[in-house]
Amino acid sequence: AQRVTQPEKLLSVFKGAPVELKCNYSYSGSPELFWYVQYSRQRLQLLLRHISRESIKGFTADLNKGETSFHLKKPFAQEEDSAMYYCALLYPIIQGAQKLVFGQGTRLTINP
Amino acid sequence: DAGVTQSPTHLIKTRGQQVTLRCSPKSGHDTVSWYQQALGQGPQFIFQYYEEEERQRGNFPDRFSGHQFPNYSSELNVNALLLGDSALYLCASSFTSGRANEQFFGPGTRLTVL
Repeated sequence: AQRVTQPEKLLSVFKGAPVELKCNYSYSGSPELFWYVQYSRQRLQLLLRHISRESIKGFTADLNKGETSFHLKKPFAQEEDSAMYYCALLYPIIQGAQKLVFGQGTRLTINP
Repeated sequence: DAGVTQSPTHLIKTRGQQVTLRCSPKSGHDTVSWYQQALGQGPQFIFQYYEEEERQRGNFPDRFSGHQFPNYSSELNVNALLLGDSALYLCASSFTSGRANEQFFGPGTRLTVL
């Protein structure tokens, strides 16, 4: 079954320190993976997707098919990075339709 | 474009009652997905609507039903409410032929069942 696991519910680091939010997935096909972020009192929004191989707000995520992981990283954390982060797997269900499966989320707190 | 909108923002019901939640998709989007997010959990897929039909359903009982209108807006109905239905209900819209079917989320409706 398709599953996304985020092993850390809470993660706290100091400002300026590196950040890594872990995500592992279970899917037999070719995955499409995303990181969504939810800042306080804001809606869930897309942070980045693996197919773009882009860096957003200093965050990057590399898909490792061998380890079935898609960890989110940032070299120097900033206080505004404090938020809830969700890893998500998109996979086809029927022709033209796709389903998004989320992990449980990691609450990241950046301490000053 | 206001993006995805949902109404109401908050709702309080009692066990056994029925509730209807509403969602308007982002302009240009034709697909609406509904999610339930219990406290401390990630969003769980309920179902997806496209061309006014339910395309796929998650692991939710038949008490959860939905509808999509010709203007692509959608409703989620929950009958015979249980305490465990208390959650944040999220609507997400996407364009079927769009880039990796990126889903845009609404602010959610917070349902409390007493």
